[in-house]
Amino acid sequence: NAGVTQTPKFQVLKTGQSMTLQCAQDMNHEYMSWYRQDPGMGLRLIHYSVGAGITDQGEVPNGYNVSRSTTEDFPLRLLSAAPSQTSVYFCASSYANSGNTIYFGEGSWLTVV
Amino acid sequence: EDKVVQSPLSLVVHEGDTVTLNCSYEVTNFRSLLWYKQEKKAPTFLFMLTSSGIEKKSGRLSSILDKKELFSILNITATQTGDSAVYLCAVAGNEKLTFGTGTRLTIIP
Repeated sequence: NAGVTQTPKFQVLKTGQSMTLQCAQDMNHEYMSWYRQDPGMGLRLIHYSVGAGITDQGEVPNGYNVSRSTTEDFPLRLLSAAPSQTSVYFCASSYANSGNTIYFGEGSWLTVV
Repeated sequence: EDKVVQSPLSLVVHEGDTVTLNCSYEVTNFRSLLWYKQEKKAPTFLFMLTSSGIEKKSGRLSSILDKKELFSILNITATQTGDSAVYLCAVAGNEKLTFGTGTRLTIIP
């Protein structure tokens, strides 16, 4: 069972570069989301989607874009990387919207130098 | 703004001890409260609670929700070194899941 797949697992970027974190799920979940996790801050919601074609901002959306052209995929784009975006990123999915068990990807460790 | 507060922030106990982790919340349109265990990688699901007063149990772990006082506790009895992890509480509200900062539990052999 693939579940939620995130790539890449590790990435080092230079300030100002752009990149896309990929996320795919094979459980036909409507709801997908991206979180970042920083020491002492817990998991903070960046963007989320309640279905294909629908996205919305979370708690910390600045500097990130998302799109949801299919149910399976929910890529996260960093437009111009900054050192403040050094973090661990988790993609997650669940049936319907929040209230159901949420499944996490393995995480992507991103360092911006 | 939705808020989830966990306490204590960290806890160090000896193997065999019993621990209680706390989670209080303020969330609009509460749907459920979830507990996760996070070791080195992604959080893994422990419990989902939706109703007050009904204890959920899984082995040595148990959890209960109080929707009147807006909190939940996670109990771990007879702790083992494999219980060392960060325990995350999350509350589902309007289309969003809000996480607490977690409690870091360390079990000393």
